[in-house]
Amino acid sequence: QSALTQPASVSGSPGQSITISCTGTSSDVGGYKYVSWYQQHPGKAPKLMIYDVSDRPSGVSSRFSGSKSGNTASLTISGLQAEDEADYYCTSYTRSSTLVFGGGTKVTVL
Amino acid sequence: VQLMESGGDLVQPGRSLRLSCAASGFTFDDYAMHWVRQVPGKGLEWVSGISWNSGFIGYADSVKGRFTISRDNAKNSLYLQMNSLRAEDMALYYCARALYYYGAFDIWGQGTMVTVSS
Repeated sequence: QSALTQPASVSGSPGQSITISCTGTSSDVGGYKYVSWYQQHPGKAPKLMIYDVSDRPSGVSSRFSGSKSGNTASLTISGLQAEDEADYYCTSYTRSSTLVFGGGTKVTVL
Repeated sequence: VQLMESGGDLVQPGRSLRLSCAASGFTFDDYAMHWVRQVPGKGLEWVSGISWNSGFIGYADSVKGRFTISRDNAKNSLYLQMNSLRAEDMALYYCARALYYYGAFDIWGQGTMVTVSS
């Protein structure tokens, strides 16, 4: 159960777009559509931002979008805003019938 | 819609602890439930999950054989029995709701802290 690989940090200026990658294997990210993304502000519980690779829960801004190509999933934040500064985690279902998280990415708004 | 964890405490290595998660505001047995933990300042780690009817249960390798997840749908409650606790189990433990076992966690509790130290 190795953690999915995410960049430690990504930064961008307000209004820009950024993309966070989440790389796994054919036994997890590449093999299933069950990839989700979470936003976590300091001291708060995580919040679901994207599920099933690219679906957005009700109430989540359309500036957040998800995609997948092969063993790598991606979260894109368009029109970056100060409130988007947070930690972001991906997770995937695995062939072992478990779930695995990525190591997390700290997004900084410059 | 709310999840409220309880049971976190300071415990010595090798001892046991039972966490509880009380659900309210939704039909509990319509959902799978999971435990996720986080060492303060570190990333999230999936611990265990259970399907709506307890028919499917999974554990992370790091806790398999030591932790047991269970649920009581009549009491709208989720549990995590943690035995043979280790220093590396020290973390904030969240319970989270999922529409199906392998699905996304759409509702999270605020967490309960487990400290393992002699």
